[in-house]
Amino acid sequence: GDSVTQTEGQVALSEEDFLTIHCNYSASGYPTLFWYVQYPGEGPQLLFRASRDKEKGSSRGFEATYDKGTTSFHLRKASVQESDSAVYYCALSDRGYGNEKITFGAGTKLTIKP
Amino acid sequence: AQTIHQWPVAEIKAVGSPLSLGCTIKGKSSPNLYWYWQATGGTLQQLFYSITVGQVESVVQLNLSASRPKDDQFILSTEKLLLSHSGFYLCAWSLQGRDTEVFFGKGTRLTVV
Repeated sequence: GDSVTQTEGQVALSEEDFLTIHCNYSASGYPTLFWYVQYPGEGPQLLFRASRDKEKGSSRGFEATYDKGTTSFHLRKASVQESDSAVYYCALSDRGYGNEKITFGAGTKLTIKP
Repeated sequence: AQTIHQWPVAEIKAVGSPLSLGCTIKGKSSPNLYWYWQATGGTLQQLFYSITVGQVESVVQLNLSASRPKDDQFILSTEKLLLSHSGFYLCAWSLQGRDTEVFFGKGTRLTVV
């Protein structure tokens, strides 16, 4: 079945540091990839998505590029802020024809120290 | 604008007691609906999805059931709670299509004691 692997369970950085959260996926089809962000006590919200090889998704200074060759969708940000502290989830969707399964990674808790 | 309302916000229930959680989506007809479960500090596990009224597909077995009695309503229930049912339950919706965004509700915090 489909799976998503996030290497980092927790990341602690200082403001203005560079962020990378690694995401690798396994899917039989050609999935759409997502990054979601979740703040404490709330449901996840979409950061951005990408549907095609080499497509770059971006939002709020975060970005990731769909790489079918390495089956990756790594999240990066050049300069993090304290307000970026949250849990980040990589997800894949290969929906269609009545199949609505969406698979999330384990999540990465990002803590930014001021 | 579309809104998603989950109820209750939080529940404390005894082992062996029944459970019913609900969500309503307003402002969008015939959405796909989903139930997710999140253990404390854990990932999002998709439990059920529904693409139309009366039709629900199970993704993982957790001794829970789901129903979609109306186009805009999704119910999660069980007759007998287990300690392992504790966690954060999230209802979500999306439009049809492989790359459409999934919109989550604010969730229900369930504690089974």
